[in-house]
Amino acid sequence: DVKVTQSSRYLVKRTGEKVFLECVQDMDHENMFWYRQDPGLGLRLIYFSYDVKMKEKGDIPEGYSVSREKKERFSLILESASTNQTSMYLCASSLPPFLTQYFGPGTRLLVL
Amino acid sequence: AQTVTQSQPEMSVQEAETVTLSCTYDTSESNYYLFWYKQPPSRQMILVIRQEAYKQQNATENRFSVNFQKAAKSFSLKISDSQLGDTAMYFCAFMKLVSYGQNFVFGPGTRLSVLP
Repeated sequence: DVKVTQSSRYLVKRTGEKVFLECVQDMDHENMFWYRQDPGLGLRLIYFSYDVKMKEKGDIPEGYSVSREKKERFSLILESASTNQTSMYLCASSLPPFLTQYFGPGTRLLVL
Repeated sequence: AQTVTQSQPEMSVQEAETVTLSCTYDTSESNYYLFWYKQPPSRQMILVIRQEAYKQQNATENRFSVNFQKAAKSFSLKISDSQLGDTAMYFCAFMKLVSYGQNFVFGPGTRLSVLP
């Protein structure tokens, strides 16, 4: 089975802190994604990566950056956390040409 | 840009009954894929069912089936013989292939409660 893990289930940070969310997949998937999930808005794509060191902006990249130095690991970085970044963050991966995304358990981030 | 609408924020159904979750989408694409994902209270999102737009036959997976109406841009999910384990958030998603990978758009979700 594909396994996608995220470094934390819950995280509490202060405004202005730099925050790292890490995602690791164990199935050699080329594509990896970061979403944020908010009630009534569903999942919105922040960034995705289709290969090592390659990235594309999603629908809401402002305030976020990403890093993919190794194929299995995709990091989401909040350079200076703000309260409006309080949310659930979901990581996913997929392997072309197969279409299914596999999701991690999510990280619930609270920014105070 | 594509949009996905799920008009039912919450639904409930009695155990063993049948329930239908609605989804509509807006796109000018002709080749795309549609998905239903389930997110149980433990939060790991899993795929329920997938439909290729070029296929006329509706997809089925055990108790789960879809009613895909391409002209109407409608993609509803039917759950038969509902079970307590079906309690979850259900997300409808649209996907098109792009040169660098996949472009997914998710709906806002429907929270389904299966009642004993």
